[in-house]
Amino acid sequence: DVVVTQSPLSLPVTLGQPASISCRSSQSLVYSNGNTYLSWFQQRPGQSPRRLIYKVSNRDSGVPDRFSGSGSGTDFTLKISRVEAEDVGVYYCMQGTHWPRTFGQGTKVDIK
Amino acid sequence: EVQLVESGGELVQPGGSLRLSCATSGFSFSNYDMTWVRQAPGKGLEWVSAISRDGGSTNYADSVKGRFTISRDNSKNTLYLQMNSLRAEDTALYYCARDWTGPEYWGQGTLVTVSS
Repeated sequence: DVVVTQSPLSLPVTLGQPASISCRSSQSLVYSNGNTYLSWFQQRPGQSPRRLIYKVSNRDSGVPDRFSGSGSGTDFTLKISRVEAEDVGVYYCMQGTHWPRTFGQGTKVDIK
Repeated sequence: EVQLVESGGELVQPGGSLRLSCATSGFSFSNYDMTWVRQAPGKGLEWVSAISRDGGSTNYADSVKGRFTISRDNSKNTLYLQMNSLRAEDTALYYCARDWTGPEYWGQGTLVTVSS
């Protein structure tokens, strides 16, 4: 199975400051069609997961542009340019290239 | 509006069975691959199973392979998860989600508790 490793697992941030989460996979996530199926999800307390980013860097509709995704191959990053209070929650990356699909362990973002 | 509504979760004894359902609306169900994801209390997300749009292809996590069966009824716009030989470690909130490369829409989940 493809192992997906996130870091850090806990990320205390100051309001208005940037934040960055790393996601690394044990195998390349490039699919045979050339697409890279790496997504990022946000889970606020008590809520279902919400997809923020798909295929590495595509932001979902309604997602603030302070969220951005980047990376390639096995190394990916989610960045929040200026953290707001509503960004508190757990963030997960997920690979959708290989079977079985796998999630990272999650990164808990809270306010210092 | 896309909606996914899970049901069927309840308290069940170890070794028992349950069938979860996910009723969908607001999109053309038969055009989408579908996924089940679970979350144990206080833990992270765990991918469980997925099925192709026509039901012809299915995949499972090793932890459930041979015990769980995913299926769908495109005439009823509904996704299912048949869960047999349940174990304590299957206790979780089970979500259904649309798509299998990186699910865009998720339901609210249905809680399965396996305990004697």
